[in-house]
Amino acid sequence: DIQMTQSPSSLSASVGDRVTITCRASQSISSYLNWYQQKPGKAPKLLIHTASSLQSGVPSRFSGSGSGTDFTLTISSLQPEDFATYFCQESYNTPWPFGHGTKVEIK
Amino acid sequence: EVQLLESGGGLVQPGGSLRLSCATSGFTFGDYAMSWVRQAPGKGLEWVSGIRGSGDSTYYADSVKGRFTISRDSSKNTLSLQMNSLRAEDTAVYYCAKDQIFYGGTAFDLWGQGTLVTVSS
Repeated sequence: DIQMTQSPSSLSASVGDRVTITCRASQSISSYLNWYQQKPGKAPKLLIHTASSLQSGVPSRFSGSGSGTDFTLTISSLQPEDFATYFCQESYNTPWPFGHGTKVEIK
Repeated sequence: EVQLLESGGGLVQPGGSLRLSCATSGFTFGDYAMSWVRQAPGKGLEWVSGIRGSGDSTYYADSVKGRFTISRDSSKNTLSLQMNSLRAEDTAVYYCAKDQIFYGGTAFDLWGQGTLVTVSS
């Protein structure tokens, strides 16, 4: 099975900062990569699909890039409501593995 | 309103069984594949099982194959997960999720609130 590795596992940032989270696949997955946001006690929310396509209703400060094995989620200007955990997910073949998550905390 | 609502979680002893249900509304249930995704306490997300919109194909993670059975009832717009031979490592919040196909890839674009399953003696 494909393994998904996220880095960092956590980061501290301030409101207004630019934040970048990386996800690496153990083999090429083309652009079959999704990003989710999860807040404590809540279900995950789809942010980005197919590596770079913004899901409907998601603010434009979120963006995704990459293909093959290396992917990035960027938040251009961190807002208070963005403090959460972010997960990547390979989307082409079951078992559709997720990364272990990146927790974005307030500095 | 588009909504998924899980039920059926609880405390069960190792080796026991539990059946989860997910009531859906606000979309054409039969048009979409559905999945169960779980999250152990303080851990990441793990896809558990999926079923096509027609119900004719089912898929399982290796960790639950042979013990869990996914099914759907189109007359009631309901998704189910029958969990047998439960183990401590099955303890998790179980989410029902709607599959959406984007350019050949699968994303989970709608999630329920989750139901907690605890396997302990």
